Amino acid sequence: AQSVTQLDSQVPVFEEAPVELRCNYSSSVSVYLFWYVQYPNQGLQLLLKYLSGSTLVKGINGFEAEFNKSQTSFHLRKPSVHISDTAEYFCAVSPQGGSEKLVFGKGTKLTVNP
Amino acid sequence: SAVISQKPSRDICQRGTSLTIQCQVDSQVTMMFWYRQQPGQSLTLIATANQGSEATYESGFVIDKFPISRPNLTFSTLTVSNMSPEDSSIYLCSPADPTTGELFFGEGSRLTVL
Repeated sequence: AQSVTQLDSQVPVFEEAPVELRCNYSSSVSVYLFWYVQYPNQGLQLLLKYLSGSTLVKGINGFEAEFNKSQTSFHLRKPSVHISDTAEYFCAVSPQGGSEKLVFGKGTKLTVNP
Repeated sequence: SAVISQKPSRDICQRGTSLTIQCQVDSQVTMMFWYRQQPGQSLTLIATANQGSEATYESGFVIDKFPISRPNLTFSTLTVSNMSPEDSSIYLCSPADPTTGELFFGEGSRLTVL
């Protein structure tokens, strides 16, 4: 079975500062990895995903994440955040093959302050 | 990707009543999941609803409380029965990409039980 740990439940930052949201996973098999974002009072949308290939994945809104197999991590980064990035961010993992359910982390609340 | 429409988008319900949530997808999907997101929490999987088979419920969720229908590849319903305030949540249906497990979300259905 897979599990996901998001190490920070809340991350406050100032506008235009860089940010890193941390995600570690546990799995006995190879995995696919995802980051979803949930803006206030909205549903979830996909930010980016790692399926295979380059370990640096670029997503929407200037976010990127790096898959590190040895450290079983998939940290999300943005070099300069905006007020509009304030949201809940969820890391998720599924075993390769796609036949099993996605497992979500508990989420990280990113608050960007002016 | 898939476009998901849920009805109702939000509702206020009385304790002891039942409500059926409808989920319409704009394309045919085999794998579909129903999630619950309680206030300030991550997503919790209620059940897997694949067309042509009975829904599979996660630990802590039972068919009598959350009956699910999946009459075809584009539609599903979830009923929340005999509601209590603890059922106040966002309920999300989510089709999955069968090769990667990626989930697609709509806005969900926000239920408040008084």
